[in-house]
Amino acid sequence: SQQGEEDPQALSIQEGENATMNCSYKTSINNLQWYRQNSGRGLVHLILIRSNEREKHSGRLRVTLDTSKKSSSLLITASRAADTASYFCATDRGNKLTFGGGTRVLVKP
Amino acid sequence: KAGVTQTPRYLIKTRGQQVTLSCSPISGHRSVSWYQQTPGQGLQFLFEYFSETQRNKGNFPGRFSGRQFSNSRSEMNVSTLELGDSALYLCASSLASGSGADTQYFGPGTRLTVL
Repeated sequence: SQQGEEDPQALSIQEGENATMNCSYKTSINNLQWYRQNSGRGLVHLILIRSNEREKHSGRLRVTLDTSKKSSSLLITASRAADTASYFCATDRGNKLTFGGGTRVLVKP
Repeated sequence: KAGVTQTPRYLIKTRGQQVTLSCSPISGHRSVSWYQQTPGQGLQFLFEYFSETQRNKGNFPGRFSGRQFSNSRSEMNVSTLELGDSALYLCASSLASGSGADTQYFGPGTRLTVL
């Protein structure tokens, strides 16, 4: 079963706009990771945020974590057509990742 | 450093057959995990190997098994294939540093089709 739930399931935006997706989970975690997957290929690691961190940045990515609400968000700023992909959050407990259902993002040029 | 590699990339089998998938982790990584991805169930954890021992196991039947060799390379085997085993099988490796914050790096996956 999946621990996380991503919201929204799908997102369509214009190039240059920001994309925000949310992830909720159910149990305590060591850390939470975000991944990107292009069209049924392997997962590309985007960012890891530890349970004692509240916010983390990497390039155009900003991740927040609220452990009291058991939720996380991923913001992609100034989106590009190449950002079109599915995005997954994954909670990590003892090196076992539990994934959400993913958000499909379409960035239109 | 080379990334995680998986072979073969594509595989077609028939029901009842068995299959073996291979994964070579990033050099220096000691943990290898396997995941199954299907449209219906999404990404699900199969098992994790560390130092040639299975350390974690997901909720899959005994037809799914794996092993890890002394060089950290891993194989997973699925016996008596069923149509529902058609999926993308992903392997991931990590340092397993014990820090509680190990990034898992994924390979490109093996696309298994069972006819």
